[in-house]
Amino acid sequence: ELKVEQNPLFLSMQEGKNYTIYCNYSTTSDRLYWYRQDPGKSLESLFVLLSNGAVKQEGRLMASLDTKARLSTLHITAAVHDLSATYFCAVTDSWGKLQFGAGTQVVVTP
Amino acid sequence: DADVTQTPRNRITKTGKRIMLECSQTKGHDRMYWYRQDPGLGLQLIYYSFDVKDINKGEISDGYSVSRQAQAKFSLSLESAIPNQTALYFCATSAGVILSYNEQFFGPGTRLTVL
Repeated sequence: ELKVEQNPLFLSMQEGKNYTIYCNYSTTSDRLYWYRQDPGKSLESLFVLLSNGAVKQEGRLMASLDTKARLSTLHITAAVHDLSATYFCAVTDSWGKLQFGAGTQVVVTP
Repeated sequence: DADVTQTPRNRITKTGKRIMLECSQTKGHDRMYWYRQDPGLGLQLIYYSFDVKDINKGEISDGYSVSRQAQAKFSLSLESAIPNQTALYFCATSAGVILSYNEQFFGPGTRLTVL
């Protein structure tokens, strides 16, 4: 059974500092997704990581994938208030379904 | 542009009532999904459909049923609603692995409260 674990589950960030969210998964998968969710809103796709060593960047967010370690990281550079949200990682199982992590709630304060 | 739409957006109902949540998409995707999200938790898959004639149970299908009326429409029903089905429900679509790496696109969600 595919399990996806994120940590931390809550992250209080200071503006201007750097932080990392970790996503571990239990079985082999070649696709990993990061989503963002604002309170009461839908999920917005941030990144799709397709292969070992994949790195994608958008603004202050950078995601990477290490399939051998079954680990993805979402790095936030110089946090700003607009990045406050919940971030989910998800991994594709062998049937093409997504298994989501529990999410990391990020709060950025001055 | 609302590629994936859900109706209603909010619904309050009573225990024992039958209700239907509807999802429509204009993305032309074959695959559609229903998820449930409880406060502070991730998403749990209720049902999924890879094409009109294909319906599959997800992790938490008990108490739910679905209907895929067309490629663009996928409805979720609660046969007899109970309070612990109070949650945020999301519909999602994807084009599949080959066309889009199976990236899923989510609707705006339906907030359901069962009293």
